[in-house]
This record gives sequence, C-alpha cells and structure tokens, in this order.
Amino acid sequence: EIVMTQSPATLSVSPGERATLSCRASQSVSSNLAWYQQKPGQAPRLLIYGASTRITGIPARFSGSGSGTEFTLTISSLQSEDFAVYYCQQYNNWPLTFGGGTKVEIK
Amino acid sequence: QVQLQESGPGLVKPSETLSLTCTVSGGSISGAHWSWIRQPPGKGLEWIGYIYYSGSTNYNPSLKSRVIISVDTSKNQFSLNLSSVTAADTAIYYCAKQRGYGDYWGQGTPVTVSS
Repeated sequence: EIVMTQSPATLSVSPGERATLSCRASQSVSSNLAWYQQKPGQAPRLLIYGASTRITGIPARFSGSGSGTEFTLTISSLQSEDFAVYYCQQYNNWPLTFGGGTKVEIK
Repeated sequence: QVQLQESGPGLVKPSETLSLTCTVSGGSISGAHWSWIRQPPGKGLEWIGYIYYSGSTNYNPSLKSRVIISVDTSKNQFSLNLSSVTAADTAIYYCAKQRGYGDYWGQGTPVTVSS
C-alpha cells in the first residue's frame, strides 16, 4: 500500500496570503494524484487531478504541481471560503490511498 | 449533473452487517466506476472499494474479507455490505463516482456501531 504523508498538519494563514501544502508518496505515483477540499459537515470536493489539472469551476488561485513522490498544492491568495481541510489521494496503485490532511486555518 | 445519495440505517449493532445504498441521479450508472469511502469521526478518508457497472469489483485489502459491493443498474443504485462490524467501523460513509479520482460525491451518511 502506498502511504501518503501530508505536511504540515495545520497551516495558519492570513486572508490574502499564499498557502503551500505538501504531499509525499512512499513510492512513485507518477502524476496520478488528486487534491480535495473538505469543509465541516460536507463531502470532499475534487479540486485537481493529474497532479496539476484543475476541475472546471475551481478558481485559478488553486494550482497543483509535482510528480513521482513529491506534490504541492498552492493557494495563491487565500479567500475566506478557502479555509478548510485539504487531502491528497493517489490513484496510481491499488488500494487508493489518501493523505492525512492539512487543515488551513485563519491566522 | 450527476448526484449521489446514500441511504441506510444510522445505527448497527456489533457483529452485524452494515448495509448502505447509493442512488445515482442525473446520469446513468452504466459506463462508470462507483466507490465507497469512509471517514471515522475527526479522522481522514479510507477507500473501501469500487464496482464497475458490469459488476466487477476491487476492494481495499484491509476490508476485503468483510466487504461486498453490488450494483443494480435497473434502479441506478449500488450498495455496500460490511459484515462483522465493530466500533472501529463507526464513520461517515460516502459514495462517489470514482475509479481513480472521485469527481462526484454523495453528502455522506453517518453510521454508528453500538449495542
């Protein structure tokens, strides 16, 4: 099983600032990496797949990068609606596995 | 736009079988893969398994001995059966349109395992 490790666990950021979230895979997942946003009481929402392809309707301030074992989700200028928990997920190998999440909170 | 809705008992007794159904609307269940994912209280996400509309399945090895996922294309539904449940199976259970990444998710249904 591929283990996905996200860091930091919690990120305190002021509105308007940049947030950088990391995700590391225990072995290469190529570019088969997705990012989700989850707000309290809601289901996860897909933001990015293929490590860097934004889903239709996701603002351009969200960008993904990386391949192999190291990935980054960047939110260029945090808006109030962006404070949430973010998960990465690999789909290169079975079973599908998720990272433990990064909570982006208001500083 | 595809919508998914989970349904089933919110309380299951230990050692019994948890049974949930996901109803797909706004599109056909045919031609796609459909997954179950769960999230224990305050914790992260765990993929349980998926089913293709034709009936082929793929399960998480950690749960494989207890899981059965089935599909009913005539009702546009797929279902999860998880046997011999314990308190560790208490979670919010989500269904999703997913083989690799999940692009459509249900709202989730909480299931508590308790006597």
